[in-house]
Amino acid sequence: GDSVTQMEGPVTLSEEAFLTINCTYTATGYPSLFWYVQYPGEGLQLLLKATKADDKGSNKGFEATYRKETTSFHLEKGSVQVSDSAVYFCALISNTGNQFYFGTGTSLTVIP
Amino acid sequence: EAGVVQSPRYKIIEKKQPVAFWCNPISGHNTLYWYLQNLGQGPELLIRYENEEAVDDSQLPKDRFSAERLKGVDSTLKIQPAELGDSAVYLCASSLGGTSGGVHEQFFGPGTRLTVL
Repeated sequence: GDSVTQMEGPVTLSEEAFLTINCTYTATGYPSLFWYVQYPGEGLQLLLKATKADDKGSNKGFEATYRKETTSFHLEKGSVQVSDSAVYFCALISNTGNQFYFGTGTSLTVIP
Repeated sequence: EAGVVQSPRYKIIEKKQPVAFWCNPISGHNTLYWYLQNLGQGPELLIRYENEEAVDDSQLPKDRFSAERLKGVDSTLKIQPAELGDSAVYLCASSLGGTSGGVHEQFFGPGTRLTVL
């Protein structure tokens, strides 16, 4: 079945460091891929998405590129801020249905 | 625009007691989802509604869990009786959805954190 595997945390970085959170997927067909962010005490919020191969999603300085050849959708940011501290979830939805499959989440803490 | 509203935000009950969660989706969103999120895990789908019809409830433990979405708007999720292992965050999400195709973003509520003692 469809699934998402993402890098385990927690991840701790200093402010202005480079961030990469790895995500790979297994799916039939051509899924759409997402990164959601969950700040403490809040619900999940869509961070960015990509709906076809080679698409790059971007938002708030975060980027991820849909790589079909490596079945990956790694999240990157060039310079993290303290306010980026949160849990990040990679997710996919197959092109045959409306069910989301989420990764286990990666906790990021950015220290000043 | 108001987001997905859930209540209560927190609930503490003793095992074997019943509990209910309420969700009000974003206006105009036909699809409503209930997810279970255990600590340190991603959300897992319990049930999905298209309007008032439950189109995917394969992961809902039907011996103790039930859900309804009367009139295709608000929804309630009930557990009766609750067990210790039900302690988790219960998330509601909504999307434009539909079966006509296209990928629709899901908007999540803040969740209800349930503690069963």
